[in-house]
Amino acid sequence: DAGVIQSPRHEVTEMGQEVTLRCKPISGHNSLFWYRQTMMRGLELLIYFNNNVPIDDSGMPEDRFSAKMPNASFSTLKIQPSEPRDSAVYFCASSTTGELFFGEGSRLTVL
Amino acid sequence: AQSVTQLGSHVSVSEGALVLLRCNYSSSVPPYLFWYVQYPNQGLQLLLKYTTGATLVKGINGFEAEFKKSETSFHLTKPSAHMSDAAEYFCAVSGGGTSYGKLTFGQGTILTVHP
Repeated sequence: DAGVIQSPRHEVTEMGQEVTLRCKPISGHNSLFWYRQTMMRGLELLIYFNNNVPIDDSGMPEDRFSAKMPNASFSTLKIQPSEPRDSAVYFCASSTTGELFFGEGSRLTVL
Repeated sequence: AQSVTQLGSHVSVSEGALVLLRCNYSSSVPPYLFWYVQYPNQGLQLLLKYTTGATLVKGINGFEAEFKKSETSFHLTKPSAHMSDAAEYFCAVSGGGTSYGKLTFGQGTILTVHP
């Protein structure tokens, strides 16, 4: 079975540009999570969805961040405009029983 | 509210020696506890979890952890380290019910294994 698929794996962009990260959860999983990992702050939950509905977005740092889940097989995390402090690895994870399955992450560098 | 403290950001052991990674948690509800492992440039993989029942939990790759409510601890152990165990390990906590998958992670412990 395919795991959680994230794209792109690496993204380098300039400050002010729009960034869109994509995630395909494991088929049949009804919960999807977006985490951010940095050296300074570790792993932080940004937002999670149950059955495509956002449940808790209290971790989204600013209005520049938005996430959508238009269907059960796809989610996006968008940053507009991007800033250097957004540089991090962004992980998507999916779950059906509470055990999280993580993707390999999208490493974002904002210059 | 929940929090996790991992004692020691770096742990170094010799191959064949005991591995002990320490985790203490704080939770206002009965906790669900997890250990994840992360290899370089990869996502996190679940090693083991405690939800209810037996307090000694066995996981993959020979790891186990014991939930001690009185000490608010969930330390990870492995009797004999292998070179392939070198990685970063994260302890995490969540509440039950609808927030089961909403994890709060510790800062991580990097395990180095020497030949």
